[in-house]
Amino acid sequence: QKEVEQDPGPLSVPEGAIVSLNCTYSNSAFQYFMWYRQYSRKGPELLMYTYSSGNKEDGRFTAQVDKSSKYISLFIRDSQPSDSATYLCAMSAEYNFNKFYFGSGTKLNVKP
Amino acid sequence: ETGVTQSPTHLIKTRGQQVTLRCSSQSGHNTVSWYQQALGQGPQFIFQYYREEENGRGNFPPRFSGLQFPNYSSELNVNALELDDSALYLCASSSEGLNTEAFFGQGTRLTVV
Repeated sequence: QKEVEQDPGPLSVPEGAIVSLNCTYSNSAFQYFMWYRQYSRKGPELLMYTYSSGNKEDGRFTAQVDKSSKYISLFIRDSQPSDSATYLCAMSAEYNFNKFYFGSGTKLNVKP
Repeated sequence: ETGVTQSPTHLIKTRGQQVTLRCSSQSGHNTVSWYQQALGQGPQFIFQYYREEENGRGNFPPRFSGLQFPNYSSELNVNALELDDSALYLCASSSEGLNTEAFFGQGTRLTVV
């Protein structure tokens, strides 16, 4: 069993839709939860970071962590074609923002 | 752009050969991690270097080795290349301190034939 599971998609939605992306994990030691966005032929870029359980909002993006269920989510409101990319969840047990366990990524396509 | 540069961008090698990939970290960053991203998969942590010392290693065999230089740039070396080593190799640099983000380079696409 992988430590981090993520539905690979692809997920295709119309412009303006609300998108929900999810990951589950098995290691209860994970404390730091990140969402990265990766465009084709580029390295991942950090979208959101959350520590422990709770919600965090940044513009059109909301990250949720439920440690009791070992489940994290990223919501994108009013999705735009420019949001089309692969979204990767990442987790770490240490306060070391450069030693992550990544999910396999969900490919999102937002149609105009 | 993140300020993290990797070279080369693409590389084709033959099975059994050795390869060296390079990463220049962002200015002010003293930590570099290397990740392997197979096609359609998420990045997998290979190892991390902090101030020229290895600081943690993922589940990769010893033929994957690394180095960090006094200017904090880094190399990833892979010996006895196998077909399954074909992947995008990413490096990410970061610094110490609270809420420090890791910035990724654009990666080196390695193809082993």
